Amino acid sequence: GENVEQHPSTLSVQEGDSAVIKCTYSDSASNYFPWYKQELGKRPQLIIDIRSNVGEKKDQRIAVTLNKTAKHFSLHITETQPEDSAVYFCAASKAAGNKLTFGGGTRVLVKP
Amino acid sequence: NAGVTQTPKFQVLKTGQSMTLQCAQDMNHNSMYWYRQDPGMGLRLIYYSASEGTTDKGEVPNGYNVSRLNKREFSLRLESAAPSQTSVYFCASSASGPNTEAFFGQGTRLTVV
Repeated sequence: GENVEQHPSTLSVQEGDSAVIKCTYSDSASNYFPWYKQELGKRPQLIIDIRSNVGEKKDQRIAVTLNKTAKHFSLHITETQPEDSAVYFCAASKAAGNKLTFGGGTRVLVKP
Repeated sequence: NAGVTQTPKFQVLKTGQSMTLQCAQDMNHNSMYWYRQDPGMGLRLIYYSASEGTTDKGEVPNGYNVSRLNKREFSLRLESAAPSQTSVYFCASSASGPNTEAFFGQGTRLTVV
């Protein structure tokens, strides 16, 4: 089955700096790559996703890049703010069904 | 619009006891899922249901059973709880077809002592 590795497990940045989280996946048939944000004690919520026919997608301060050849994708957060502090999860799934395989998560702390 | 609703929010069980976690969605989604979340291990799929009347095992199904009661409801049962099942459980749902967003419930924090 699919295996998703996520790095780093923790990330501390100064407010205003950028944060980058990287994920690799094992199944070349995966073609949907969402990112979820989970605040303390809350449910995971989708923040951005990318499909295999796209190399990069941006939404304000958040961007995701995908390299299908190397089987890795990354989340970039620019101009970080204290409210960006949370755990971020990457995930991958295939077209047949929508089972998401998650990475282990990255705890991001934005220091004011 | 409530989205995905799970009950209960918290539960403490003794080893060997049984219980059922309930999940309901009001978004007319065909697919529903049960995940468990343990520290440092992300979210792992226990069981999923691609449509009413069908269920399939995920990554960590041992010790669990599920029922897709109707399109709205998907329950998770622990027949004989073990301390290794102490975790936070999330139900999720998504629309049919590939590559659609999964919506999560608020989670159930289960402790088995």
